[in-house]
Amino acid sequence: EAQVTQNPRYLITVTGKKLTVTCSQNMNHEYMSWYRQDPGLGLRQIYYSMNVEVTDKGDVPEGYKVSRKEKRNFPLILESPSPNQTSLYFCASSLSVTGVPYEQYFGPGTRLTVT
Amino acid sequence: AQKVTQAQTEISVVEKEDVTLDCVYETRDTTYYLFWYKQPPSGELVFLIRRNSFDEQNEISGRYSWNFQKSTSSFNFTITASQVVDSAVYFCALTTNSGNTPLVFGKGTRLSVIA
Repeated sequence: EAQVTQNPRYLITVTGKKLTVTCSQNMNHEYMSWYRQDPGLGLRQIYYSMNVEVTDKGDVPEGYKVSRKEKRNFPLILESPSPNQTSLYFCASSLSVTGVPYEQYFGPGTRLTVT
Repeated sequence: AQKVTQAQTEISVVEKEDVTLDCVYETRDTTYYLFWYKQPPSGELVFLIRRNSFDEQNEISGRYSWNFQKSTSSFNFTITASQVVDSAVYFCALTTNSGNTPLVFGKGTRLSVIA
């Protein structure tokens, strides 16, 4: 089954404790991205990756890191989480053929609470 | 810069009524892509439609239809004979073919269909 998986689905942590949210897709998609969803703000892009070893900042990258060592994985790293990073996080992937964007497939979401 | 405006924050209708969700976009690119996603109460994001800027034909899929009008920069979504299962948050999104493919989302419209 074609899918994007994220782990963990729920996480409660404390300020300053490093954490990683994993994202994996099995569709051989070049493009992957992370979004956060906050009430009243919709979805905002954090980071994206056009292909392996190619990453770039989205609209709200502060406080986050990513890496793309393999095509299928795109982990989101919070080196020192703060309460304002409490949010619902989505990973997404899509085909991107010669820059033409196709629909993005989203993971199930990770609800993060930082106390 | 790209922008998507969904002016209707919340809409409530009675089952079997028709409802239209508005989406107005801004971009300077001549090639761009518009999407609609549905987020039901379970939280996942479900792709509904993708439309490129060169295809102004309206689309119908069952009870769903989309009206794309470049003259007014709008991509409105109509649900005919609404059902309780249509209750969800609906997001309109925009991306362009300018080297990277970050999706810019509107803030969403929460649709409640009452039995």
